[in-house]
Amino acid sequence: GENVEQHPSTLSVQEGDSAVIKCTYSDSASNYFPWYKQELGKRPQLIIDIRSNVGEKKDQRIAVTLNKTAKHFSLHITETQPEDSAVYFCAAFDLYSGAGSYQLTFGKGTKLSVIP
Amino acid sequence: SQTIHQWPATLVQPVGSPLSLECTVEGTSNPNLYWYRQAAGRGLQLLFYSVGIGQISSEVPQNLSASRPQDRQFILSSKKLLLSDSGFYLCAWSGLAEGAGELFFGEGSRLTVL
Repeated sequence: GENVEQHPSTLSVQEGDSAVIKCTYSDSASNYFPWYKQELGKRPQLIIDIRSNVGEKKDQRIAVTLNKTAKHFSLHITETQPEDSAVYFCAAFDLYSGAGSYQLTFGKGTKLSVIP
Repeated sequence: SQTIHQWPATLVQPVGSPLSLECTVEGTSNPNLYWYRQAAGRGLQLLFYSVGIGQISSEVPQNLSASRPQDRQFILSSKKLLLSDSGFYLCAWSGLAEGAGELFFGEGSRLTVL
């Protein structure tokens, strides 16, 4: 099965600086890589995702890059703000593994703290 | 639009007592349904998933069980809780169609076993 490694487990940055979180995956069949943000005591929510047919995707201050050859992908947050403080989870999955079910494999999470 | 609800939001139970957490989804049909557990400061552990009524797959051995009595209802149960069952339980759903990747999580249920 798929194995997703995520690092660092904790990350502190000054407000306005950039933050980078990296994940590696093991299953070359994986083709969908979402990132979830979980604020303290709340549910995880999808913030950005990328599919294996593209190498980079941006949404305002957030970007994700994918290197299929090396089997790693990264989340980049620029101009960080205190409201970016949260736990971020990466995940990997084969969207076309078969109709009816899927098991998203999550990384263990990165706790990002943005210091004002 | 689709919504997902789970309850109760907070639960404090003694060791050995039973548990029932309920999750319902509205605005979609035949969703894939999931129960995840999140221990304090840790990642998301998949406990159960279901692709249809009465169809339950378990990811980890434990004293918990899940049931799906209706298409959009998913229940997490235990006959006798252990201290190690404490955690934040999240129900989630996803679309059935291939290519539908996003997981939508419920608000979560925080369980403390004393």
